[in-house]
Amino acid sequence: GAVVSQHPSRVICKSGTSVKIECRSLDFQATTMFWYRQFPKQSLMLMATSNEGSKATYEQGVEKDKFLINHASLTLSTLTVTSAHPEDSSFYICSATGLVVEQFFGPGTRLTVL
Amino acid sequence: KQEVTQIPAALSVPEGENLVLNCSFTDSAIYNLQWFRQDPGKGLTSLLLIQSSQREQTSGRLNASLDKSSGRSTLYIAASQPGDSATYLCAVRRKEYGNKLVFGAGTILRVKS
Repeated sequence: GAVVSQHPSRVICKSGTSVKIECRSLDFQATTMFWYRQFPKQSLMLMATSNEGSKATYEQGVEKDKFLINHASLTLSTLTVTSAHPEDSSFYICSATGLVVEQFFGPGTRLTVL
Repeated sequence: KQEVTQIPAALSVPEGENLVLNCSFTDSAIYNLQWFRQDPGKGLTSLLLIQSSQREQTSGRLNASLDKSSGRSTLYIAASQPGDSATYLCAVRRKEYGNKLVFGAGTILRVKS
């Protein structure tokens, strides 16, 4: 089956710093990648959709300048949380689709901002 | 706006029981519906995907049904095992919305040995 990886799996940073999370499709070309965040005991909320080579489309209420998304190749998308604050602490999950409609999910990244 | 609701929010059962998890959605114009499993601190594992034209899908001890007109889906787990303990999420997809998934809040299942 299609495999999606995320790096890092866990990151702790100080308030005000920026953190980059990588999402890679390991065995297929991902034309579209999705970024979600999940608060404890809550569901996944879509943050943005990114297509390779074009700007990401953000969901309502998600700050574009705070959550920078780059999808520069068919196997890699990055999410950068800029000037992170404690309220940005969350579980971030990416997913990817290629030729098939089904989304394949990464293992997630736990971000803790002190 | 599509909303997805899952009932119950949490469920605790003894090992061996058959159980049903419920998912309802407000907009019946879906492309497909998918059930996922999520273990604590982990990503999502796809369990079953039902296309809008289908009524059910089966995989091992899992059976998912879909009644699109009434906006409901159920996930049936037969002969539950402690290893089934996890959060179960359902999500619906509308093709017009760029393949986006809308998730329910999940049902936390605990199977006691």
